[in-house]
Amino acid sequence: SQQGEEDPQALSIQEGENATMNCSYKTSINNLQWYRQNSGRGLVHLILIRSNEREKHSGRLRVTLDTSKKSSSLLITASRAADTASYFCATDAHYGQNFVFGPGTRLSVLP
Amino acid sequence: KAGVTQTPRYLIKTRGQQVTLSCSPISGHRSVSWYQQTPGQGLQFLFEYFSETQRNKGNFPGRFSGRQFSNSRSEMNVSTLELGDSALYLCASSLQGWNTEAFFGQGTRLTVV
Repeated sequence: SQQGEEDPQALSIQEGENATMNCSYKTSINNLQWYRQNSGRGLVHLILIRSNEREKHSGRLRVTLDTSKKSSSLLITASRAADTASYFCATDAHYGQNFVFGPGTRLSVLP
Repeated sequence: KAGVTQTPRYLIKTRGQQVTLSCSPISGHRSVSWYQQTPGQGLQFLFEYFSETQRNKGNFPGRFSGRQFSNSRSEMNVSTLELGDSALYLCASSLQGWNTEAFFGQGTRLTVV
């Protein structure tokens, strides 16, 4: 089963609105990363947050991590049509293991 | 700084053939990981190479193999292709692997007919 599960599976919003995606995971982690993928292309790294961090910002992106609830959220503020993409969270499931990706959230930002 | 380069971008093969995909990581990165992405299974980890050694391996059959060269470039090979091997194959490079940011290439779209 997936270590990370994004929620919702799909999200449609209007340009200018905020978009929030959540990621839940099962086992303890050392870090969690968020990626964006435009249709059929490679993944673009957005943010890495370590288990001892609670919040990180990068431009219009804000990521939070709650290790007690084993969950993370990605907030995109003032969304743009160009933000339309699939968003994935990835966790290092076990020490020394590689990243395990969730199924992703498909975000559509309507002009 | 050049990004991760995967070649070829597109490939069409017939069942039973074999295929080799190539990945050139970012300069200085020693870890290269491979992922298979399909609509049904999502992103699945194939294997990771670090300093020419396979460090981790996912749950794929032995038909999937890889290697890494001294310059960190990596290749993956799939033998006896099956229709189900049709997928986007993504390569990711990072400095150390699991604890550092991973940067992905554009992928190789493999179609098996």
